[in-house]
Amino acid sequence: GQNIDQPTEMTATEGAIVQINCTYQTSGFNGLFWYQQHAGEAPTFLSYNVLDGLEEKGRFSSFLSRSKGYSYLLLKELQMKDSASYLCAVKDSNYQLIWGAGTKLIIKP
Amino acid sequence: GAVVSQHPSRVICKSGTSVKIECRSLDFQATTMFWYRQFPKQSLMLMATSNEGSKATYEQGVEKDKFLINHASLTLSTLTVTSAHPEDSSFYICSVGLAGESYEQYFGPGTRLTVT
Repeated sequence: GQNIDQPTEMTATEGAIVQINCTYQTSGFNGLFWYQQHAGEAPTFLSYNVLDGLEEKGRFSSFLSRSKGYSYLLLKELQMKDSASYLCAVKDSNYQLIWGAGTKLIIKP
Repeated sequence: GAVVSQHPSRVICKSGTSVKIECRSLDFQATTMFWYRQFPKQSLMLMATSNEGSKATYEQGVEKDKFLINHASLTLSTLTVTSAHPEDSSFYICSVGLAGESYEQYFGPGTRLTVT
């Protein structure tokens, strides 16, 4: 079966750095997405990786290793507004998005 | 990116009634729209893929006669929850994406449905 694993919840301190991991087992791979979802709102796009390596976009970076079926989202200089759920999603061989359950990130002052 | 709107944002209805949710792609002609459902503290669950001018493709376990999808134009898809029950209370989200391409999906703001 297809599976996306990510931690259920993480806690970090304002101003610090946090890494949210995602491992996947899917039938084929056509890209990995990270989305941010605040409570009661729809997800918003953060990043897309299809090749191995690190993609940096401001305070957020996303890393992919296809051979390991692994990705992480790195958030730097954490702000209180970063408190949200972070969803990892993979497009399989049929270009269907397989979603992880999301990681709830709690930022403390 | 595409701008997607949903209406209504919140709806409360009585058990047994039907509710229609609209999803509009405001600046993008979407041949494909996706409908998701999300229960509290759970991930997104794809319900169906809505194809303009043809029948929607439903995911396994989703009743097509209960969740009616109409995609009559390139900018509008509707989801009708028929004979709603309290267990249908959920957050319904639509998204627009290019089917077959590795582009991100653009999500609408979601509709919170509460069935009493």
